[in-house]
Amino acid sequence: VHVVESGGGLVRPGGSLRLSCAVSGLTFRHAWMTWVRQAPGKGLEWLGRSKDRSNGGTIDYAAPVKGRFTISRDDEKDTLYLQMNSLKTEDTAVYYCTTLAYGSGTSNNWGQGTLVTVSS
Amino acid sequence: SYELTQPPSVSVSPGQTASITCYGDVLGDKYVDWYQQKPGQSPVLVIFEDNRRPPGIPERFSGSNSGSTATLSISGTQVLDEADYYCQAWDSSTIVFGSGTRVTVL
Repeated sequence: VHVVESGGGLVRPGGSLRLSCAVSGLTFRHAWMTWVRQAPGKGLEWLGRSKDRSNGGTIDYAAPVKGRFTISRDDEKDTLYLQMNSLKTEDTAVYYCTTLAYGSGTSNNWGQGTLVTVSS
Repeated sequence: SYELTQPPSVSVSPGQTASITCYGDVLGDKYVDWYQQKPGQSPVLVIFEDNRRPPGIPERFSGSNSGSTATLSISGTQVLDEADYYCQAWDSSTIVFGSGTRVTVL
């Protein structure tokens, strides 16, 4: 399984950014996926989870980002997205995409991460 | 919101056993995973569902979870085990990471 994030970069406070996560080596339309971030020198923070269509395509969010961040997926392109709006300096972090073991919260494959820097 | 607490650091001598704890309210009612992260690298799963090892993870890594405490044990600790370790608890609706523990082998 290969997970590759992209779309990171420098953005001004209040701006928006969309991250992409391309997955190969598994049947993406059946995959459960998450976004996790890590601020510089800090720990891991779970952002949200996307379940597959047979589980209603449910998306769960962590409270700190609910309403500002939106997770979506394109099963035809084997890609997961993270739309981030109203960005704040404290959103500066490496953003990881992970695959979950089916039906669980276990991240069994991680990407290399993409750095998002929110600064004026 | 649900929180998991880990000691900031643990020191261990080579060949000894390192024990890393993770505290959370009624943690034993959830599944706990453990991830190892070395500097500049992505996290790697070392224990899942409390005490199961993924393929390729050495047998010296083991886990337990009961009551309010989950524990990751590394027996016969090696210098290459020096890293940050994060516990993670999950259930049907949420996933939470612990604060992380830096393991130093010296």
